[in-house]
Amino acid sequence: QKEVEQDPGPLSVPEGAIVSLNCTYSNSAFQYFMWYRQYSRKGPELLMYTYSSGNKEDGRFTAQVDKSSKYISLFIRDSQPSDSATYLCAMMDSSYKLIFGSGTRLLVRP
Amino acid sequence: ETGVTQTPRHLVMGMTNKKSLKCEQHLGHNAMYWYKQSAKKPLELMFVYNFKEQTENNSVPSRFSPECPNSSHLFLHLHTLQPEDSALYLCASSQERVGGKGYTFGSGTRLTVV
Repeated sequence: QKEVEQDPGPLSVPEGAIVSLNCTYSNSAFQYFMWYRQYSRKGPELLMYTYSSGNKEDGRFTAQVDKSSKYISLFIRDSQPSDSATYLCAMMDSSYKLIFGSGTRLLVRP
Repeated sequence: ETGVTQTPRHLVMGMTNKKSLKCEQHLGHNAMYWYKQSAKKPLELMFVYNFKEQTENNSVPSRFSPECPNSSHLFLHLHTLQPEDSALYLCASSQERVGGKGYTFGSGTRLTVV
């Protein structure tokens, strides 16, 4: 079993839709949860990070962590074509090592 | 630019060649990392350096040899690679033992082994 599971997609939505991206994990020691966005031919860039359970909002993006279910989500409201990218979830335990999901490719159609 | 610069951006090498990848960060971070990204697979951590000391080697074959001369520079020396080593090689840096803010990545070197 992989430590972090993420549906690879691709996920195709029309512009303006609400997008939901998810990851599940098996290691209950994970404390920090992150979402990275990776455009083609670029490295991943940090989009959101949260500590422990709860919600965090930043503009059109909301990150949600449910530690009891070992499930994290990223919601994108009013999606734009510029949001088309691969979204990687990542998690860190007390050793500060970052473990990634395999990424979900998102395509927002104009 | 993210503050982490990788060169070259693209590299094609034969299986008998020797080449090096370079990474430089201007963020004042203390830790640097090499990751391998293959299609449809999670990023694979290869090496970790904290304060120039290698603290992790994730069972990487010896044909990959890292070097960290100072906390701002990281190299990955390559020799006698295999075609399955073709991938995007990403360098990242972070403040050592600071959780939550994750790592800052470079744009990567796209390596093709022929």
